[in-house]
Amino acid sequence: DSGVTQTPKHLITATGQRVTLRCSPRSGDLSVYWYQQSLDQGLQFLIQYYNGEERAKGNILERFSAQQFPDLHSELNLSSLELGDSALYFCASSPRGTNEKLFFGSGTQLSVL
Amino acid sequence: EDKVVQSPLSLVVHEGDTVTLNCSYEVTNFRSLLWYKQEKKAPTFLFMLTSSGIEKKSGRLSSILDKKELFSILNITATQTGDSAIYLCAETSGSRLTFGEGTQLTVNP
Repeated sequence: DSGVTQTPKHLITATGQRVTLRCSPRSGDLSVYWYQQSLDQGLQFLIQYYNGEERAKGNILERFSAQQFPDLHSELNLSSLELGDSALYFCASSPRGTNEKLFFGSGTQLSVL
Repeated sequence: EDKVVQSPLSLVVHEGDTVTLNCSYEVTNFRSLLWYKQEKKAPTFLFMLTSSGIEKKSGRLSSILDKKELFSILNITATQTGDSAIYLCAETSGSRLTFGEGTQLTVNP
């Protein structure tokens, strides 16, 4: 158990809908990362937050947004969902947010039908 | 753009075999290279390499980094069926990890 908690584990929804994925980092970790893993693309970095502030942005679509709250948990919002958004979404955390290993949650499996 | 390339993409071996997984990278501000093992869901950390030529070892697994040639290898000796997984290589040139596509290792009894 990495100490990173993601909910829900599975999510099935329809095209055009909006969903929210939740992540609680390890105790004491200030940085949260979101990654998307689909069958043909491997782990793609979406966005990073450090102590409530956005620190780095990757290949995140405009339909997606995220935030980190004062208690350090994070939410990833996915809207106007398309079939291609079906993937495993991982949250990871680390203490300082730079040049260190990440601890991954178990992921949320999103299926868009 | 930073790039991490792993080879082979898939590998099937028999128990007891030794395997070598490869990872090459092209980054503008390299800091460290990490290896992860992904079995069912969450990737789990194996090694972090920052210095060239120094081998990191954990049981039957070992890894080494060559910063001059920009690559790393992960060796697994005396493979077991429990080693079957996707092995991911990642580099940290900034605050994020950039991952390669992974090597799917299957160890047959």
